Amino acid sequence: EPEVTQTPSHQVTQMGQEVILRCVPISNHLYFYWYRQILGQKVEFLVSFYNNEISEKSEIFDDQFSVERPDGSNFTLKIRSTKLEDSAMYFCASSKTSAEQYFGPGTRLTVT
Amino acid sequence: GQSLEQPSEVTAVEGAIVQINCTYQTSGFYGLSWYQQHDGGAPTFLSYNGLDGLEETGRFSSFLSRSDSYGYLLLQELQMKDSASYFCAVRDKGGATNKLIFGTGTLLAVQP
Repeated sequence: EPEVTQTPSHQVTQMGQEVILRCVPISNHLYFYWYRQILGQKVEFLVSFYNNEISEKSEIFDDQFSVERPDGSNFTLKIRSTKLEDSAMYFCASSKTSAEQYFGPGTRLTVT
Repeated sequence: GQSLEQPSEVTAVEGAIVQINCTYQTSGFYGLSWYQQHDGGAPTFLSYNGLDGLEETGRFSSFLSRSDSYGYLLLQELQMKDSASYFCAVRDKGGATNKLIFGTGTLLAVQP
């Protein structure tokens, strides 16, 4: 069964550094998302992407964040200058119809 | 504001039936999804209700009443492996990509 993959599984970085989190969505899906989950809390929407552009973004997704779909398979989230409060699990998701979203295993980002 | 309320914890025994309720208050609404999450892993899609009524998928059923802004997930014939967190999520009616707004999650503990 096809699945969403994410790399790396765990990323440790120092405050102020840039990180890129990578995702390979399911191949015939059209809608792509990033969510994050701070330890012990609920999953929060960051951004959605469709037709090669951002469709919607949350208040969390400020100028420090960007997304790209550089080729036909990868979908990346970049955080330009990480802060301590960016420490969280970041989930990529994709869907064919936007109704049923499939999540990847996540990247645990630790900012020190 | 937008909010989804769920009980924080539920405990049940193997073989029993358990119902996890979700009440929501959101600015837009397309439907209600349910996700299972084991130990901070990937949220796994369980069920989706776009219309009022009951949807059944094996041991899991989900119900929606749009007029009451209420839904529930019903788990039957509980197994130990069902111990996990369960999140309801509103599929938001905004933009082309319909982001998910997650509830606070219910930690289900299945005891022998």
